[in-house]
Amino acid sequence: AQSVTQLGSHVSVSEGALVLLRCNYSSSVPPYLFWYVQYPNQGLQLLLKYTTGATLVKGINGFEAEFKKSETSFHLTKPSAHMSDAAEYFCAVSDPTGRRALTFGSGTRLQVQP
Amino acid sequence: ETGVTQTPRHLVMGMTNKKSLKCEQHLGHNAMYWYKQSAKKPLELMFVYSLEERVENNSVPSRFSPECPNSSHLFLHLHTLQPEDSALYLCASSQMSGRVSTDTQYFGPGTRLTVL
Repeated sequence: AQSVTQLGSHVSVSEGALVLLRCNYSSSVPPYLFWYVQYPNQGLQLLLKYTTGATLVKGINGFEAEFKKSETSFHLTKPSAHMSDAAEYFCAVSDPTGRRALTFGSGTRLQVQP
Repeated sequence: ETGVTQTPRHLVMGMTNKKSLKCEQHLGHNAMYWYKQSAKKPLELMFVYSLEERVENNSVPSRFSPECPNSSHLFLHLHTLQPEDSALYLCASSQMSGRVSTDTQYFGPGTRLTVL
C-alpha cells in the first residue's frame, strides 16, 4: 500500500521568503515521487519528480525537492517566494514495480503576501 | 500548451440531463485517466484506460460511463447526476508499460461541472 500526507492544507509566506511545503509518504517499495502545481481554474502541471539517482531534484520555477528515505519525506522548497507562486501544490507517489498508479496527497494551498 | 485538451471547460446541467465530457491528448501516450476534484477532498481517480482497455474503475457510480474509442480520445458520459457530483473533472494521459503507469501524468485544464 502507499499513501501521501501533506502537512498543512494552507501555507502563507511573504514575498521573498523561503517556501517549504511538506510531504511524507508511505510505500512498501522505493517509490517514485512527484510534485504538481495547480493554478486557479487549471489542471495540474508537473513541477518535478524523483525516480532514481540524485536525491536533490530541481524543477521548474526555481523549486526543488529532496528525497530523504530515512525520513520518508519529499519536501518542496523555493528560496524566495514570488507572488506568481500562489497556487495549490500536490505531492504524489507511485510504485515503480507497477502494482499501483499515482496516489495524490490532499494538497497545500500556498498564499504569498506582498 | 499541456498537450491534453478538455471540452467543455464549464458545464451546467440538471439532474435529468445527459451530457458528455471530452478529452483529447496529443502526446502519443497509451494511457488515459479521469479524476474527480471536489472542494476540500483529495484528487479521486475514477477510471484508467490503457490501450483503450479499462484497467481500473474505482467504485464509481454507474451514472458515470467512460468511453475510450482510441488512445487519443476519452469521454465521460453523464446521466441522472446528483448535486454532489458537482466538481472539477480532470483528464490526464501518460505512457504506460505494464498494467499501471508509474511515469508522469499530463493533465488537461479540467471541466467545471455544476449539477443543479
